[in-house]
Amino acid sequence: QSVLTQPPSVSGAPGQRVTISCTGSSSNIGAGYDVHWYQQLPGTAPKLLIYGNSNRPSGVPDRFSGSKSGTSASLAITGLQAEDEADYYCQSYDSSLSGSRGWVFGGGTKLTVL
Amino acid sequence: EVQLVESGGVVVQPGGSLRLSCAASGFTFDDYTMHWVRQAPGKGLEWVSLISWDGGSTYYADSVKGRFTISRDNSKNSLYLQMNSLRTEDTALYYCAKPLYSSGWYHPFDYWGQGTLVTVSS
Repeated sequence: QSVLTQPPSVSGAPGQRVTISCTGSSSNIGAGYDVHWYQQLPGTAPKLLIYGNSNRPSGVPDRFSGSKSGTSASLAITGLQAEDEADYYCQSYDSSLSGSRGWVFGGGTKLTVL
Repeated sequence: EVQLVESGGVVVQPGGSLRLSCAASGFTFDDYTMHWVRQAPGKGLEWVSLISWDGGSTYYADSVKGRFTISRDNSKNSLYLQMNSLRTEDTALYYCAKPLYSSGWYHPFDYWGQGTLVTVSS
């Protein structure tokens, strides 16, 4: 059970817009810690896609955008392309005094481009 | 160009020990905290451990606390993970990861190695 909750899968046709949610709690996202997003293509290491809730590293297309509100965050992908088919993970920091304290990830969302 | 190259992953029996290494290049290694993150086969990402730039502070996920020890040798630009009392649930691809910024704690990871596979099985 991940501290951050993501839908296991989303799908969309080429050219469409999809969103992936990331739900946390008052000890992580709701406590003001930033949310970051990673894209993991099959057989490769994760790649930083969005950092600081809504910032794109150099080289990441502006089709990818992030937002955060309250205890949740979202990743939006517009103009879906076949190459976007991958697993997507959100990440934040959890300040809980329980076993979840530390750098936490969502369970991951598999994006299928139909 | 930043490079992180992990090594040391093998098949080991439950209860055994293993030491992973991560060779870093392309950035000022001793300016940065460093992390280990793992991914069990077909599963998601799990943060494992962090070490401060000078090795003076270390943090661990509860799942490995008391069994794993993170360390670094800044003279060799290398990061290590000593893994003891290994369990089947420790089977995973282990990545070393560099934070985006050199100061502060809560930054994302902008560079990852290719990972080294640890399999704990009898």
